[in-house]
Amino acid sequence: DIQMTQSPSSLSASVGDRVTITCRASQSISSYLNWYQQKPGKAPKLLIYAASSLQSGVPSRFSGSGSGTDFTLTISSLQPEDFATYYCQQSYSTITFGQGTRLEIK
Amino acid sequence: EVQLVESGGGLVQPGGSLRLSCAASGFTFSSYWMSWVRQAPGKGLEWVANIKQDGSEKYYVDSVKGRFTISRDNAKNSLYLQMNSLRAEDTAVYYCAAMVRGVIGFWFDPWGQGTLVTVSS
Repeated sequence: DIQMTQSPSSLSASVGDRVTITCRASQSISSYLNWYQQKPGKAPKLLIYAASSLQSGVPSRFSGSGSGTDFTLTISSLQPEDFATYYCQQSYSTITFGQGTRLEIK
Repeated sequence: EVQLVESGGGLVQPGGSLRLSCAASGFTFSSYWMSWVRQAPGKGLEWVANIKQDGSEKYYVDSVKGRFTISRDNAKNSLYLQMNSLRAEDTAVYYCAAMVRGVIGFWFDPWGQGTLVTVSS
């Protein structure tokens, strides 16, 4: 199976900050990479699909980039509602998720 | 409104069985691959199983093969997960999710609210 490794595992930031989360695949997955946001006690929510396409209704401060093995999720200006855990997920082969990145308020 | 609602979770002893259900509404259920994804307490997400629109193809994560069975009833807009020989490590919130297929891969959207399965004596 393809292993997905996110970094950092946790991150403290302030409202207004620019934040970048990285996801690395153990082998090339082209652009078969999606990003989700999960808040405590809630289901995950799709943010970005196919590495860089913004899901309808998701604020434009979220963006994704990358291809091959290295991907990034960027939040251009953190808002209070963005503090959550973020997961990457590949669909190139047997579905796997990254371990998650917890974004906390500084 | 697009909605997925899971039910059937609960406390079960090791070795026991449980059947989860997921009721879909607000979209054409029969047009989508469907999946179960689980999350152990305090842990990350793990894909469990998925099923093609007509039920002709089913795939499972290795850890549940031979113990879990995914099925669907398109007439009832419902997805199911029959879980047998349950183990403590199956303890998790189980989410059902629709799989959207695009030009580049597929993604999960929407998700249900989840149902908690606890395997303990």
